Amino acid sequence: NAGVTQTPKFRILKIGQSMTLQCAQDMNHNYMYWYRQDPGMGLKLIYYSVGAGITDKGEVPNGYNVSRSTTEDFPLRLELAAPSQTSVYFCASSYRVTGPVTEAFFGQGTRLTVV
Amino acid sequence: TQLLEQSPQFLSIQEGENLTVYCNSSSVFSSLQWYRQEPGEGPVLLVTVVTGGEVKKLKRLTFQFGDARKDSSLHITAAQPGDTGLYLCAGLNAGGTSYGKLTFGQGTILTVHP
Repeated sequence: NAGVTQTPKFRILKIGQSMTLQCAQDMNHNYMYWYRQDPGMGLKLIYYSVGAGITDKGEVPNGYNVSRSTTEDFPLRLELAAPSQTSVYFCASSYRVTGPVTEAFFGQGTRLTVV
Repeated sequence: TQLLEQSPQFLSIQEGENLTVYCNSSSVFSSLQWYRQEPGEGPVLLVTVVTGGEVKKLKRLTFQFGDARKDSSLHITAAQPGDTGLYLCAGLNAGGTSYGKLTFGQGTILTVHP
């Protein structure tokens, strides 16, 4: 089982450049999330989606954009990269219809450095 | 903004000691999850608690959800070096304008020395 697949695993960007972090899941999960994690810290929610065509802002959405055109894919777009966006980015997915949400499965992360 | 406050942020103990990690919020969550994360990996689920007052045990780990569903605790008995890692609590909002939002606390870095 592939689970949640993130690409790329590592990337170095120059200030002002743009890029898209890819995230795909093959578990037919309806919920998907993007988080960033700074060293030794917890996860800060950037954007989330409860289904195809539906996205919403998390705690730290500035400088990022997302789309959810299919159930499987949830790309994160960085426009005009800044050093403050240097972080490890995690994509996650889970499933819920009613009742408690299932376990959130995480990708391996993308380590992004902006110089 | 819903915030989950974890304490302590750092915990360094000797093998065999007991410890408790707390996760507190002013908001009510429909469910709360605890994850553990190893360096270079994504978090992995330990437990989900749903009902106020619920207690779940996972070997030496005991998880409790507060009666008002605003707080939770993780208690580890007789800690072992293999328990070393980053422990994260996460709250799910299942209603209102933040439907589906999964918010994480800032984490507790646990180090258990042999």
